[in-house]
Amino acid sequence: DAGITQSPRYKITETGRQVTLMCHQTWSHSYMFWYRQDLGHGLRLIYYSAAADITDKGEVPDGYVVSRSKTENFPLTLESATRSQTSVYFCASTAEVGPYEQYFGPGTRLTVT
Amino acid sequence: AQSVSQHNHHVILSEAASLELGCNYSYGGTVNLFWYVQYPGQHLQLLLKYFSGDPLVKGIKGFEAEFIKSKFSFNLRKPSVQWSDTAEYFCAVNSDNFNKFYFGSGTKLNVKP
Repeated sequence: DAGITQSPRYKITETGRQVTLMCHQTWSHSYMFWYRQDLGHGLRLIYYSAAADITDKGEVPDGYVVSRSKTENFPLTLESATRSQTSVYFCASTAEVGPYEQYFGPGTRLTVT
Repeated sequence: AQSVSQHNHHVILSEAASLELGCNYSYGGTVNLFWYVQYPGQHLQLLLKYFSGDPLVKGIKGFEAEFIKSKFSFNLRKPSVQWSDTAEYFCAVNSDNFNKFYFGSGTKLNVKP
């Protein structure tokens, strides 16, 4: 039972490069989320998806792009990475929104130099 | 937008001390409330949740939380902390009326042995 996985776990990239963070879940959960975790800010929602081909912006979407062609995958792309996007990125999923917990992936630590 | 406030950013306790972490949210409607824990280097895991019924909910590892609707609060408590409780704790809220989770900024708990 793999659950929810993220790749890569660690990534160093240069300013201006495109980077894609992968997220894969094995539960067929409808909802998937991308968060970034920064000191003093907790978790901030970047994008979320209610189903395949349905995505919506969260609190901090600028500079990020998502897609969801398959239920189990929810990649996050930084189109032109900036130093302010250095962060730890967590993917999460839940079957439904309501009194159901979110399950989190292990995180990707991204450094933009 | 909804907001979740965690007033204690960093708490230091000795083993066997009692713990109470504050959480307040801004949404006036029906909410589901969660506490997550993140141990060093790990992803977030659910500690407990409230969605209806008894406002005092019990979670794993001896944690409990009390929902006080009139105060928009969902404080986390533990009567006697252990060194292994050293972690960061996040309060989160969602509602059946909106498809997002909102997280507080987190409280880092450091338990001295």
